[in-house]
Amino acid sequence: DIQMTQSPSSLSASVGDRVTITCRASQIITTYLNWYQQNPGKAPKLLIYAASSLQSGVPSRFSGSGSGTDFTLTINSLQPEDFATYYCQQTYSPLYTFGQGTKLEI
Amino acid sequence: EVQLVESGGGLVQPGGSLRLSCAASGFTFSDYSMNWIRQAPGKGLEWVSYISGASSTIYYADSVKGRFTISRDNAKHSLYLQLIGLRAEDTAVYYCAREKSTTSPRVWYFDLWGRGTLVTVSS
Repeated sequence: DIQMTQSPSSLSASVGDRVTITCRASQIITTYLNWYQQNPGKAPKLLIYAASSLQSGVPSRFSGSGSGTDFTLTINSLQPEDFATYYCQQTYSPLYTFGQGTKLEI
Repeated sequence: EVQLVESGGGLVQPGGSLRLSCAASGFTFSDYSMNWIRQAPGKGLEWVSYISGASSTIYYADSVKGRFTISRDNAKHSLYLQLIGLRAEDTAVYYCAREKSTTSPRVWYFDLWGRGTLVTVSS
């Protein structure tokens, strides 16, 4: 199975900050990489697909980049609603896998 | 309204069985592959199983292979997950999710999720 490793596991930031979350795959996955946001008690929400494509309705302060094994999710000008947990996911292999999550806290 | 609604969760003893359902509405269900994903209390997301639109292709995570069975009924716009031989470590919220893809290359992603149903395995 392809292992996905996110860093950091948790991150403290303030409203207005710019933050970056990293995701590394255990093998090359080209751009088969998605990012999701999850608030407590809620279902995950798709933010970015195919490494850098912004899902419809998602604010433009979210962006994704990367290819191969290393990927980043960047959030510019943090808003209060952005404090949540973020997961990367690979869909290169049919046995999909998620990263362990990054909790973004105030 | 485009939505997915899971049901069928509950408390079950170790070794027991359960059948989860996911009702789809607002879109042509048969056009989409579907997935089950679970999340243990306080833990991250774990992909569980995949089924193609015509049920011709099915995949399972190693952790559930041989114990869980995914199926669908396109006429009823419903997705199912049969869970047998349940263990304490299967305790989780189970989500169903719709799969979409880009055109070229075909990158798959989950664009629609249900709210989940809680399965608790305990004596």
